[in-house]
Amino acid sequence: RKEVEQDPGPFNVPEGATVAFNCTYSNSASQSFFWYRQDCRKEPKLLMSVYSSGNEDGRFTAQLNRASQYISLLIRDSKLSDSATYLCVVISFTNAGKSTFGDGTTLTVKP
Amino acid sequence: DAGVIQSPRHEVTEMGQEVTLRCKPISGHNSLFWYRQTMMRGLELLIYFNNNVPIDDSGMPEDRFSAKMPNASFSTLKIQPSEPRDSAVYFCASSSRVGYGYTFGSGTRLTVV
Repeated sequence: RKEVEQDPGPFNVPEGATVAFNCTYSNSASQSFFWYRQDCRKEPKLLMSVYSSGNEDGRFTAQLNRASQYISLLIRDSKLSDSATYLCVVISFTNAGKSTFGDGTTLTVKP
Repeated sequence: DAGVIQSPRHEVTEMGQEVTLRCKPISGHNSLFWYRQTMMRGLELLIYFNNNVPIDDSGMPEDRFSAKMPNASFSTLKIQPSEPRDSAVYFCASSSRVGYGYTFGSGTRLTVV
């Protein structure tokens, strides 16, 4: 079993739809969580941090569920420009701060 | 802020040749990471440094790979000898401290023929 697992998709949604991604992790000692966005042939870019209390940035909401060991990303009113691969990242301080990326979920927003 | 700077952007080399990838982290960031990305294996952490010291190199595939960080503003990843299976995009990333979000460079697209 991978340390961090994501549904690879692809998710194909119409403009304006709400879409949610989940990411599960196996190391209960994990302490920092992030969502990154990667466009085709580009570098990953930090989208947002994830906290237990939830984190909202415009149309994007990230949530952490420590009990069930998963993080989620919700995108409301999706735009064509949201089409990308979304990667979750888990960092464990007990493992010398090692980061583990999920394989990514591909989102395509269609007109 | 110029961001994380990697060079070269593209590298094509013949099998058996030495390849050196370079990275300049964001000034003031004291953690630096080298990743490799392929379609088959996704984004893999190769090695990371904290305050110029290698902390975890368990992701380095084999002895052909080596990485150095001689000072806070420069790191290299060397492959010697290179093999076709090393073909990938190699990213360097930095962060202000362990556990914080990373900023990635634009990557080096390596092709070994």
